[in-house]
Order: sequence, then structure tokens, then C-alpha cells
Amino acid sequence: GAVVSQHPSRVICKSGTSVKIECRSLDFQATTMFWYRQFPKQSLMLMATSNEGSKATYEQGVEKDKFLINHASLTLSTLTVTSAHPEDSSFYICSPQAPYEQYFGPGTRLTVT
Amino acid sequence: DAKTTQPTSMDCAEGRAANLPCNHSTISGNEYVYWYRQIHSQGPQYIIHGLKNNETNEMASLIITEDRKSSTLILPHATLRDTAVYYCIVSRTSGNTPLVFGKGTRLSVIA
Repeated sequence: GAVVSQHPSRVICKSGTSVKIECRSLDFQATTMFWYRQFPKQSLMLMATSNEGSKATYEQGVEKDKFLINHASLTLSTLTVTSAHPEDSSFYICSPQAPYEQYFGPGTRLTVT
Repeated sequence: DAKTTQPTSMDCAEGRAANLPCNHSTISGNEYVYWYRQIHSQGPQYIIHGLKNNETNEMASLIITEDRKSSTLILPHATLRDTAVYYCIVSRTSGNTPLVFGKGTRLSVIA
């Protein structure tokens, strides 16, 4: 199957700081990238969809100014959590879309103290 | 996309077949049935998908009823490493349609 990497795998940051999560599709090009988050004991929830070179579209209830998504190339997308707060602590998963299949990264565990 | 209903949890003895059911009574004609699993603190892993015919791969078999309103994922010889949350998802395969995850079934494989 396709290889997707995320970096970092775990990050702890202080409240008020920003954190950048990178997602790379290592062996295919993804024109569409989905970002999900997962709170403890809950299922994955779609946050946003981005297409390469375009602005991301966000799901209802997700603040676009807080979760900045950059999809500048077909193999790299970044999610920046700005001014993080403890309630942003979650498991963030990127999901690049290839033709007829959606892949998933290994996830990034963010803890905001 | 059509919604799915799965049992919250199931147990299976190691070495036995695990049969995970899924109801999707509102599935549309152009929607596929996908199965993913998520092992603790990892990203979802693709298992199998099908439209109307039964499918088998190296991981599992997928049995879809003739009316397509339900399906069963079969892990033929469950191991402890198969302990995970299993998600049944119905979706079209068009490029910009994200998979929508329900609550899934927590499968515990017991030694």
C-alpha cells in the first residue's frame, strides 16, 4: 500500500503556542488531502479538505483561522494549530486521496499543557 | 453517504474466525462498502472494500448480502494483533468524497 508519513508523531506544547504538523505522501501524488482529528474514545472527525494550490474548506465548527492548512505540493500538506489550548489536545490524522482510494497517515498526538 | 450500524464491541478467541456485522440499509447503488481498522494510537488501516460481490484478500473476506443492506467482515484466523476498532463505511469512490467514520466495533481477540 501507499506510504504516508506524519511528523512529529507526538508533540507537547504550552498553551498559546503554535504547532505545525507535516504530512507527506511518499510514493504517490495527492491532489486532495483530508485532515481528521480524534478525541479520546471517539471516532475520527473530518476537520477540513484541501486541494493542492487552493484554499482549504473546513467542516462546520472548525475554526479556519485556528487550524491553518497549507497544501502547496502534491506530496506535502501541513496543519498548523495556532494559539493552541488544552482543548485542542487530540490525535490529528492526515489522509491523502489517490484515485479510488483514501490513505491515512500514522497520526500526530498533540498535547497542550 | 449512507450511515452504518455496527455492534459496539465483540470478543473473539485467538485462532477462531471473527465475524463483524454491519448494517447499511440506506446504501445507494453507487456506494461501496469499505472496511478499515484502527489499532490503538495509529492511523486507520485499509482492510477491504466491495460493491456487491463478495471479496477476499490476504487480510479478510467481505460478504455482502444480495440486497446490499448488510455485510460481514470475516477475519478467518484472528490473532491478538487483530485487536482493534473496525469501521464499516459506505461511500462513493469519487476523488473528493472523504470517508465518514462511525463509532465502529471494538474487537478484542482473547488468548
